[in-house]
Amino acid sequence: GQNIDQPTEMTATEGAIVQINCTYQTSGFNGLFWYQQHAGEAPTFLSYNVLDGLEEKGRFSSFLSRSKGYSYLLLKELQMKDSASYLCAVRGSGYSTLTFGKGTMLLVSP
Amino acid sequence: DTEVTQTPKHLVMGMTNKKSLKCEQHMGHRAMYWYKQKAKKPPELMFVYSYEKLSINESVPSRFSPECPNSSLLNLHLHALQPEDSALYLCASSQAQGAFHEQYFGPGTRLTVT
Repeated sequence: GQNIDQPTEMTATEGAIVQINCTYQTSGFNGLFWYQQHAGEAPTFLSYNVLDGLEEKGRFSSFLSRSKGYSYLLLKELQMKDSASYLCAVRGSGYSTLTFGKGTMLLVSP
Repeated sequence: DTEVTQTPKHLVMGMTNKKSLKCEQHMGHRAMYWYKQKAKKPPELMFVYSYEKLSINESVPSRFSPECPNSSLLNLHLHALQPEDSALYLCASSQAQGAFHEQYFGPGTRLTVT
């Protein structure tokens, strides 16, 4: 089976740095995705990790440790528009599909 | 063009109605997906089409019937739905089904069943 855990809510202030953690237990592993979803809108792709380490893309970075079943999404220089739900999703073995975590609602305040 | 389009944006239907949701992409993607998302919940996979063939059906009730007329189009036919089927229905596509292929999501159809 698949189990993905991430915090339900987080708050941070504009300009700050926030780290959103995700832990997973899955049957097989073929990569971990982070998506951003604003209220009432579709998820948009942020990052993909399949090997251990840090992937950096502008203000967003994602880290993966396969041995620990752990990932985090790091958001720097937070902006008000970063207030959204952040979904961790894992692809299991073979051609299996994505299993989404319940999402972390991030609220950025002035 | 990196867009997945869905129509309609909003749909209200009675339990005896028959309606269809439509999804279209012109990125040459060969895998297309239907997800259901309830408020404050993650997307739940319903169906996957790979090369226009149904690849995965996540035990979805038969009142939901998917159709893939060609590689760019994906429909979801709805019949005799229940109020608990009210949700945001998201379509997504990816280059192919396996390994690393990020999914591009459409804006969704917000369905209300009365």
